Amino acid sequence: QVQLVQSGAEEKKPGASVKFSCRASGYTFTNYGVIWVRQAPGQGLEWIGWISGYNGNAISAPKFQGRVSLTTDTSTSTAYMELRSLISDDTAVYYCARKAFYHFGSGNYGAFDYWGQGTLVTVSS
Amino acid sequence: DIQMTQSPSSLSASVGDRVTITCRASQSISTYLNWYQQKPGKAPKFLIYAASSLQTGVPSRFSGSGSGTHFTLTISSLQPEDFATYYCQQSYSTLDSFGQGTKLEIK
Repeated sequence: QVQLVQSGAEEKKPGASVKFSCRASGYTFTNYGVIWVRQAPGQGLEWIGWISGYNGNAISAPKFQGRVSLTTDTSTSTAYMELRSLISDDTAVYYCARKAFYHFGSGNYGAFDYWGQGTLVTVSS
Repeated sequence: DIQMTQSPSSLSASVGDRVTITCRASQSISTYLNWYQQKPGKAPKFLIYAASSLQTGVPSRFSGSGSGTHFTLTISSLQPEDFATYYCQQSYSTLDSFGQGTKLEIK
């Protein structure tokens, strides 16, 4: 069965960096992309970025550009996200999810069909 | 960037009720619209893609409709396990984005 297992909770000081991992199993990693989403306490879902499991091409939301790095290791079917220059507003649960394309009618529709369990990052001095 | 706006932000309903949640896009997204359900402390669960297609295993009381900029998620007869927060998400743009969520609470 498809599973995405994320790394454990982290506590960081402002200005530090954090690197998350998301290990995939149960499917061919290079056939799908991985997206990263965060959720601040009591808030909604915020899309951070996407990386191709095939060739490592990545794109991130404008507010994170320059501060986030998305990478993969296909030998271990693992996706990574590094977030730098942390501030208190970065305190959130960070999720990875598989992005799959579903064929319907004449189109292919991207959706996030399997999710990791989430990683809590707390940024505090 | 494409902005997604859901209404209402919260909704109180009873078991057996029919409820509808609306999602609007800031520009036309055809039917590139997905819905997710999230329960407290859990990761989101994928419900619907292409605006109206149910993911495998999702109960048929859930349905989606719409195209362009206006979409709806309807639950035909609420069950206790349906009380959760629901999010729409557009996949039209390479920059995906979510609505702010609709919290469905027990009346």
